[in-house]
Amino acid sequence: DAGVIQSPRHEVTEMGQEVTLRCKPISGHNSLFWYRQTMMRGLELLIYFNNNVPIDDSGMPEDRFSAKMPNASFSTLKIQPSEPRDSAVYFCASSFGSLGTDTQYFGPGTRLTVL
Amino acid sequence: AQKVTQAQTEISVVEKEDVTLDCVYETRDTTYYLFWYKQPPSGELVFLIRRNSFDEQNEISGRYSWNFQKSTSSFNFTITASQVVDSAVYFCALSEATETSGSRLTFGEGTQLTVNP
Repeated sequence: DAGVIQSPRHEVTEMGQEVTLRCKPISGHNSLFWYRQTMMRGLELLIYFNNNVPIDDSGMPEDRFSAKMPNASFSTLKIQPSEPRDSAVYFCASSFGSLGTDTQYFGPGTRLTVL
Repeated sequence: AQKVTQAQTEISVVEKEDVTLDCVYETRDTTYYLFWYKQPPSGELVFLIRRNSFDEQNEISGRYSWNFQKSTSSFNFTITASQVVDSAVYFCALSEATETSGSRLTFGEGTQLTVNP
């Protein structure tokens, strides 16, 4: 079975540009998570969806960040406009269930570099 | 608030040595789950184990073993007879099973393990 799929794997862009990261969760999973990993802050949860509905977006840094989940098999994380401090690895994860008790399976990540 | 501490930032061992990675957690809940993930140099996060707060039995999976002690709020991970392929960053994580916490998974800072040949 395919795991969590993320695209692109690497993205290099210039400050001010719009960036869209994509995620396809594991089939049958009903919870989806976006995390950001940086050296300074480690792994931090940005937003969490359950049954395509955003449940907790308290980790989204600011209004420049937005996330959508139009259906059970696709989610996007958009940064507009991007800034150099957004450079990080962005992970998408999915789980079967709506509680933290369920194991989250991570995608390979998207390494974003904003120049 | 929940917190996970991995005090060992980096550990370096020689192949075939045993190594233990420490994890200490803080939570106010009686029901919670603990996890370990491995992040090899390729960057992906690989799930290793999930343990609930009511199961204090130690677990062994091949060369990997986990020691869960509620009395000391610790969930330590031991690799026996380490191999070069074990070189990675290892993360301990905690989740509280409450509606208010949702699915928030709190990660420790990670321990960089280097196994030298």
